Amino acid sequence: GIQVEQSPPDLILQEGANSTLRCNFSDSVNNLQWFHQNPWGQLINLFYIPSGTKQNGRLSATTVATERYSLLYISSSQTTDSGVYFCARGGAGSYQLTFGKGTKLSVIP
Amino acid sequence: EAGVVQSPRYKIIEKKQPVAFWCNPISGHNTLYWYRQNLGQGPELLIRYENEEAVDDSQLPKDRFSAERLKGVDSTLKIQPAELGDSAVYLCASSFGAGGPGDTQYFGPGTRLTVL
Repeated sequence: GIQVEQSPPDLILQEGANSTLRCNFSDSVNNLQWFHQNPWGQLINLFYIPSGTKQNGRLSATTVATERYSLLYISSSQTTDSGVYFCARGGAGSYQLTFGKGTKLSVIP
Repeated sequence: EAGVVQSPRYKIIEKKQPVAFWCNPISGHNTLYWYRQNLGQGPELLIRYENEEAVDDSQLPKDRFSAERLKGVDSTLKIQPAELGDSAVYLCASSFGAGGPGDTQYFGPGTRLTVL
């Protein structure tokens, strides 16, 4: 079936450090999204990025659809960035998003 | 603008008991989703509604799970009877469009179900 693999599974950062999270997907994609789930469980959409690069403040994302991967960059990390980051994909003609297992990020002061 | 509202936030029940979760989507959002999130996993779609019609329920265990979205607004997800393996967080989300590319899904805070 459709697979979405995220790495690393866990990441611990000192406040102020930068990080890169990776998402590999097994099939073509026309809908690729990044989400952040905070420690209280609230899931927030960060980016819709089936291809190309987008930036929003300290966060940016790049998807290379031909090579079937997407990257999420976090610069100058803050403790509020802690939580789980999910990558989710939808295939052509499908409205269903398939989520990866997530990367758990802990930013320590 | 109010976000997606879910209740209850937490529920603890004995196995074989029934349980129901309620969701109120963002006003004006036509599409409503129910997801289940097991510990350490990403959310998995259970059912998707476009207005009051269930258009994708292939992942819903129909022997014990049921859902309804009367009048195309609020929705209820029911489990009867609950099993130990149903312990999870049940998330509701809504979107303005049908959930295709570029259509942002907004999630509620979830209901954490514990089945003893």
